[in-house]
Amino acid sequence: AQKVTQAQTEISVVEKEDVTLDCVYETRDTTYYLFWYKQPPSGELVFLIRRNSFDEQNEISGRYSWNFQKSTSSFNFTITASQVVDSAVYFCALSEAGTTDSWGKLQFGAGTQVVVTP
Amino acid sequence: DAGITQSPRHKVTETGTPVTLRCHQTENHRYMYWYRQDPGHGLRLIHYSYGVKDTDKGEVSDGYSVSRSKTEDFLLTLESATSSQTSVYFCAISERGRNQPQHFGDGTRLSIL
Repeated sequence: AQKVTQAQTEISVVEKEDVTLDCVYETRDTTYYLFWYKQPPSGELVFLIRRNSFDEQNEISGRYSWNFQKSTSSFNFTITASQVVDSAVYFCALSEAGTTDSWGKLQFGAGTQVVVTP
Repeated sequence: DAGITQSPRHKVTETGTPVTLRCHQTENHRYMYWYRQDPGHGLRLIHYSYGVKDTDKGEVSDGYSVSRSKTEDFLLTLESATSSQTSVYFCAISERGRNQPQHFGDGTRLSIL
């Protein structure tokens, strides 16, 4: 069963518009970690942020912000004033920490392609 | 950037041939992972390692084997490649395993004809 759902396959915006990427996860663990990664057209995967299940504080880093809500099992990502360089595929991922068997295994969503046009 | 090198970066081979992909790290991290990336699936874990000679299966391990004889090297082998294994393969490393960010290599694009 898919544990991380990114319902938006592709989002197209014009430069300077804000864009919000949705991520909904499913887990029975009380301790877990959520991640966002960026994959630009060049193909590498770039780590953006990690949150743990006990810290629901929203976070802002430059033009990026994250909204973590346990009540709705969501960890959404917003890019403010988008730029062409933000064009990439963005992945949300879950790591469950319930047992030592987890060993940091990441479960990824299918990804959301963001296209920013000038 | 994390010191992760994947080789080869690109490979084209025929169905039924064995293929080995190599992941080499210079970070001395304990945990290493192999993922495959396919459209519509994101990345899926194939195998992972939590130490030298300590490995285990991931979500899509059928048709793959791994070995880790040294901390720095994690090998992924397709014993008899099939067209369904055409994919982009990523290696990742992590310092403390679970719940720590994983840092990824640049990927290997494998085509099986």
